[in-house]
Amino acid sequence: QKEVEQNSGPLSVPEGAIASLNCTYSDRVSQSFFWYRQYSGKSPELIMSIYSNGDKEDGRFTAQLNKASQYVSLLIRDSQPSDSATYLCAVNMYNTDKLIFGTGTRLQVFP
Amino acid sequence: DTGVSQDPRHKITKRGQNVTFRCDPISEHNRLYWYRQTLGQGPEFLTYFQNEAQLEKSRLLSDRFSAERPKGSFSTLEIQRTEQGDSAMYLCASSFLRDRVYEQYFGPGTRLTVT
Repeated sequence: QKEVEQNSGPLSVPEGAIASLNCTYSDRVSQSFFWYRQYSGKSPELIMSIYSNGDKEDGRFTAQLNKASQYVSLLIRDSQPSDSATYLCAVNMYNTDKLIFGTGTRLQVFP
Repeated sequence: DTGVSQDPRHKITKRGQNVTFRCDPISEHNRLYWYRQTLGQGPEFLTYFQNEAQLEKSRLLSDRFSAERPKGSFSTLEIQRTEQGDSAMYLCASSFLRDRVYEQYFGPGTRLTVT
């Protein structure tokens, strides 16, 4: 079992819709969770972090964490074509600062 | 520009040669990380520093790889006797503590091609 799993996609949504990206992780002692956006040929860009169960909102983005189900998601409201990118989920485990990344989900927002 | 910077941005080398990459973190960040990313994969952790101390190194990391952060500011990553399998994007990140979490910010990366 991979430590961090994401559906590779592509996930296609129309402009203005809500995009829902999902991630599961295997280690129950994982502490913090991160979503990064990566455009083709570029480096990952941090969108947001979350460490408590529940929702965390930042602009059009909402991260949701459910530690009991070992599940973290990212919702993008009012999706724009400029949101088309690969979204990487990363997990920070207990007593280490390294991030374990999933392979990413490719999102396509069409006009 | 106050972000993480990396140099060079691209490096082409022949198999067997040594290469060295440099990373300059965001100035107030005391933690610095190196990752490697290949096509279709997420970044893979290599090593990280707090100030000048190397706190963790991946068990997958060959002894051909070495990293330093001598004065707790910039860092270098050296790969000795490069192999074709070392071709990848090498990413540096730095972090600070925000709301109980060390958020890592990545530089633009150094793309290495070993021929």
